[in-house]
Amino acid sequence: TQLLEQSPQFLSIQEGENLTVYCNSSSVFSSLQWYRQEPGEGPVLLVTVVTGGEVKKLKRLTFQFGDARKDSSLHITAAQPGDTGLYLCAGALTGNQFYFGTGTSLTVIP
Amino acid sequence: GAVVSQHPSWVICKSGTSVKIECRSLDFQATTMFWYRQFPKQSLMLMATSNEGSKATYEQGVEKDKFLINHASLTLSTLTVTSAHPEDSSFYICRTLCNEQFFGPGTRLTVL
Repeated sequence: TQLLEQSPQFLSIQEGENLTVYCNSSSVFSSLQWYRQEPGEGPVLLVTVVTGGEVKKLKRLTFQFGDARKDSSLHITAAQPGDTGLYLCAGALTGNQFYFGTGTSLTVIP
Repeated sequence: GAVVSQHPSWVICKSGTSVKIECRSLDFQATTMFWYRQFPKQSLMLMATSNEGSKATYEQGVEKDKFLINHASLTLSTLTVTSAHPEDSSFYICRTLCNEQFFGPGTRLTVL
């Protein structure tokens, strides 16, 4: 069962464009993480957000955790081909058990 | 830093064969290991949680007799896909914790 729905599922944009990926749920999470995954490899952690309303910025990436801790967004500014990959959100309900979102496959065209 | 390894990294087998996937924590003790399955361009689906020295906890819809999990030591957890069929072809990834999360590099299983 996937508790987290991501949108869009697929996204293909030109280099330099901006984009936002959404991660939504009806459940409340104690924390939420965003990952990026390359084909044939394990996910790589990008950020962890723990406080409702929290905003974190990592260079061109901005992450926001919803006030109610049920949703999150990832915004990429001036996308580059190196940003291409599968983006996954993952929420922790209890303890160390994380549930992954449905995933967003991003392709940035040079 | 802490590293998690998986073996094999890829395997191709005939239908009906059982395949064992190992997940090792190389320089720390992992009391809990999580096993995920991922189909192409899809997200990771949690299959089961294994705890050292006790029975694994399986997610709803995952057959425990089909996917045998053993966590006999603090550095090794194994997932055995019994009598594998083509629909079991997938990318299997383990995850564990040592102050932070660590994912294994994954195992690509292809069942012919």
